[in-house]
Amino acid sequence: GAGVSQSPRYKVTKRGQDVALRCDPISGHVSLYWYRQALGQGPEFLTYFNYEAQQDKSGLPNDRFSAERPEGSISTLTIQRTEQRDSAMYRCASSPWEETQYFGPGTRLLVL
Amino acid sequence: SQQGEEDPQALSIQEGENATMNCSYKTSINNLQWYRQNSGRGLVHLILIRSNEREKHSGRLRVTLDTSKKSSSLLITASRAADTASYFCATYAGGTSYGKLTFGQGTILTVHP
Repeated sequence: GAGVSQSPRYKVTKRGQDVALRCDPISGHVSLYWYRQALGQGPEFLTYFNYEAQQDKSGLPNDRFSAERPEGSISTLTIQRTEQRDSAMYRCASSPWEETQYFGPGTRLLVL
Repeated sequence: SQQGEEDPQALSIQEGENATMNCSYKTSINNLQWYRQNSGRGLVHLILIRSNEREKHSGRLRVTLDTSKKSSSLLITASRAADTASYFCATYAGGTSYGKLTFGQGTILTVHP
């Protein structure tokens, strides 16, 4: 079946603009996760949802970052007033419940 | 913040040789997982070992876990050029960290044909 999909795959934006990154999880997966990965590093946790409820947002770096999953399926990670330090790969994953997480291809964000 | 440290940071071997990567972590875990990341692609789950397990096998992969030393190793036997990738360990603590995976910095494996 279809895996986790993310869009856009690449996003170039100017500093100060808002961006919205979309994640479409595997159908039926309860849990959805967002991670950020800098070049040469492992992914770092941002936030996660069970169904539509945001269970943990402790990894969001500041209040410019927010995420939602209003119907318990597709999720959007929004970064407001982007800064150059926000440039990274943003990865989404889903799982039937916790434990094994299935990752999407990621969205590479470049803030100029 | 990264929980684990992986060692070595980079490993270069010939096809057919075995590759061993190590991962150390800091806090108690519920399970430890290994992922592979090919250039330009997403993370692929390889294997999960629970805290009450010591060794697990999957095809050419062998994972060990020593909770007393807070360390794990991933062995890839009879490596192939297609195994060239970055390998990450990730810990799942459970409890108040429910749902969260904490990744190491990864080992870059290059397998020469």
